Order: sequence, then C-alpha cells, then structure tokens
Amino acid sequence: AQSVTQLGSHVSVSEGALVLLRCNYSSSVPPYLFWYVQYPNQGLQLLLKYTTGATLVKGINGFEAEFKKSETSFHLTKPSAHMSDAAEYFCAVSLSGGYNKLIFGAGTRLAVHP
Amino acid sequence: DGGITQSPKYLFRKEGQNVTLSCEQNLNHDAMYWYRQDPGQGLRLIYYSQIVNDFQKGDIAEGYSVSREKKESFPLTVTSAQKNPTAFYLCASSAPVGNQPQHFGDGTRLSIL
Repeated sequence: AQSVTQLGSHVSVSEGALVLLRCNYSSSVPPYLFWYVQYPNQGLQLLLKYTTGATLVKGINGFEAEFKKSETSFHLTKPSAHMSDAAEYFCAVSLSGGYNKLIFGAGTRLAVHP
Repeated sequence: DGGITQSPKYLFRKEGQNVTLSCEQNLNHDAMYWYRQDPGQGLRLIYYSQIVNDFQKGDIAEGYSVSREKKESFPLTVTSAQKNPTAFYLCASSAPVGNQPQHFGDGTRLSIL
C-alpha cells in the first residue's frame, strides 16, 4: 500500500534561511509525486510535481524538489525563505499507470520569522 | 478563468440535519473528488468520481453521500449519520490519469451549532 510520511509537523526558519521540508513515500510501483501549499482557510495550490524524466523539479515561488528513488524521498527546498512562504505544505503520491488517486502526507506547517 | 467554486464558504449544521456542500468546476475535468481536512491529519478522501453518473467511496465515506449528474458538478451531502462533521471540506478535480495534478477549490468550513 502507498503511504507518505512528512517528517516534522512544524518547521521554523529565519527569513533568508534555507527551507527544507522532508517527504518520504512508500510505493510498490513508480510513483507520481506532488507538493502542494495551503494558506489559511484556502484550498491547496500545486507547487511542483514529478512524473518522469529529470529528477530535480522546479516549481513556483522558487521552490524545487528532488526525486531520489534509492531513498524513496522527495524533499522540498527553497534557498532563501520569505515571510510570504509561511503556510502549510503537503506532499502527495499517486500511482503511475492508475487513475489519479492521491495519498497525502499529514502536512508540515512552515513558520518564517524575521 | 477556469477553476473550482465551492459554496458556501462557511456552513452551520444543527443536530439531525443534512447539509449539502456545492462544488462546481469549469476546467472540463472528468474526475472530481471530495476530501475532509482535520488539523494534523492531512486530507482524507471521502468520495471520488471518474466520470458522470459514476462515483466510488473513498477512505471515510460513512455518513456522506454524493451525486454526479453533470460533469461540472459534484455536490456532497453530510448526513445526520456523520457524528463528527465539523471539519474543512475540499473539492478537487483533475484529468483521470495519475500524472495530472488535482486542482482544488477554496473549501467549505462546516461547524455544528
């Protein structure tokens, strides 16, 4: 069965510091992987996705993620945090070759302080 | 602009009452989904529909019902059988293949009076 684990329910960084949000998955088949961001009382917005091809994926707002099959990881990074990055971030996985059912991690709330 | 519209933004339910949450999309997507979000638990799938007039239960379907009579619309009814309905409900849509992202509405927050 597929599952997604996000390490750290809360992460706090200083403005300008590196952002690293961790995501590990388990899947018996090659996965499709997604990162979403959610601002308070809003829906989820797609940051980036990995389907096939290049393992380093660039997304919106300066975020990127690297698919590492050997580590079953898809960590999200941003070189320099901005106050507007404060939000909740969700990692999700879906099965390749199957219909589009997403399994979500529990989420990581990112706080950015001056 | 294409997107997903959920209404109302806030909804209150009395004990023993059924309430219906609206979800409309103009993205021409075949697949639609309903999720429930509780603090610290991520998103859990309630129901999904891959095509008009067809839908399947997700992981937490008990106490909920849906219909899919039109491609654009996927309303969710929270019945009185759902004993803990207070949550944030999110509707999404996508193409029915695994490499396409789901697009989300802005959610409906349901509370019990």
